[in-house]
Amino acid sequence: DAGVTQSPTHLIKTRGQQVTLRCSPISGHKSVSWYQQVLGQGPQFIFQYYEKEERGRGNFPDRFSARQFPNYSSELNVNALLLGDSALYLCASSRERAGNQPQHFGDGTRLSIL
Amino acid sequence: AQSVTQPDIHITVSEGASLELRCNYSYGATPYLFWYVQSPGQGLQLLLKYFSGDTLVQGIKGFEAEFKRSQSSFNLRKPSVHWSDAAEYFCAVAAPDSWGKLQFGAGTQVVVTP
Repeated sequence: DAGVTQSPTHLIKTRGQQVTLRCSPISGHKSVSWYQQVLGQGPQFIFQYYEKEERGRGNFPDRFSARQFPNYSSELNVNALLLGDSALYLCASSRERAGNQPQHFGDGTRLSIL
Repeated sequence: AQSVTQPDIHITVSEGASLELRCNYSYGATPYLFWYVQSPGQGLQLLLKYFSGDTLVQGIKGFEAEFKRSQSSFNLRKPSVHWSDAAEYFCAVAAPDSWGKLQFGAGTQVVVTP
């Protein structure tokens, strides 16, 4: 089976713009989570979606939003981009929504804000 | 407050030597514990996980980890390091009631010398 796929792999935007990142989970996985990894730090939890509903949200401003589609793929949207939004955005999927379900990560989208 | 600490930011080890990476956590109840590895430009790969039972767990690529409840630690070890083990290693925890939300440590960068 294919792993978690994310697109695009790299993206360059300017301050104030909006961006949409996409994620396709592993087949059969119903839970999708998004993480932000700033250079030199560990990933920080942004959102979790399960069965198309938001089930968890990290400490991120309302400029960040996401959704999950009927096929369990997901999009992360960030509005009014700031320089500090420059990061690697990781998507992870798991079969179910539970703490003991291993999260499988994609290779991420590298977002650079100029 | 819940926290995950990786005390070593950077470790240099000779090829063939043993490796130990430290991870300490502070949680109300014993969380689910994970180790991930990240190679440059890539996402996170799960090395191993601990949920319950035997406190010594085996993972992929010859890695193992030992859970010590009394020390709130989950240290990662490998008896003989290969040059391909050079990467960044992240300890992560999920609270039993977190529905899979991962909290990561800051990571340990491992450099392997000939």
